[in-house]
Amino acid sequence: AQRVTQPEKLLSVFKGAPVELKCNYSYSGSPELFWYVQYSRQRLQLLLRHISRESIKGFTADLNKGETSFHLKKPFAQEEDSAMYYCALSYSGTYKYIFGTGTRLKVLA
Amino acid sequence: EPEVTQTPSHQVTQMGQEVILRCVPISNHLYFYWYRQILGQKVEFLVSFYNNEISEKSEIFDDQFSVERPDGSNFTLKIRSTKLEDSAMYFCASSSHHRDEQFFGPGTRLTVL
Repeated sequence: AQRVTQPEKLLSVFKGAPVELKCNYSYSGSPELFWYVQYSRQRLQLLLRHISRESIKGFTADLNKGETSFHLKKPFAQEEDSAMYYCALSYSGTYKYIFGTGTRLKVLA
Repeated sequence: EPEVTQTPSHQVTQMGQEVILRCVPISNHLYFYWYRQILGQKVEFLVSFYNNEISEKSEIFDDQFSVERPDGSNFTLKIRSTKLEDSAMYFCASSSHHRDEQFFGPGTRLTVL
């Protein structure tokens, strides 16, 4: 079955340090991968998707089909990056997103 | 910027009661979704809706659940006879096209006592 795994529930880094939020997926075909972010008391919002290959708020993510990963990276974390981050998978033939359990990022001053 | 809205923000109900959760999707969107998140667990897909019919549903979406688009703006999720395990945050989402970004509402927290 299709699945998204985010191994870290909580990730704490200091301001200015690099951050990497891990996401692995299981799907044998061509996936579509997304990162959604939820700031405190706000709604889920799209951060980036692999097909756009954009960098949003300094974050990037590269789809690695060999390792079935879509890790989210930022070279220098900011305090305002503190939030809950969800990796999500979709694919042709479905309307749904399959979410991981999320990683809470805390950026310490 | 247009947003998905949901009402109420918090609903408390007794086990066995019917609840209706309401959503107003973004006005020019054609695809509508419900997800739920039980406390401490992942966001789970319930159902998608397009062209006035269900396009996909999950195993969670059993006969106790139904969705409706009663008019041109609202999209509702009805739970006929709530159970304790229905307590969760329910998110509505909409997208302009299939496979486009899904825009999420703020959620309705349902508490079943």
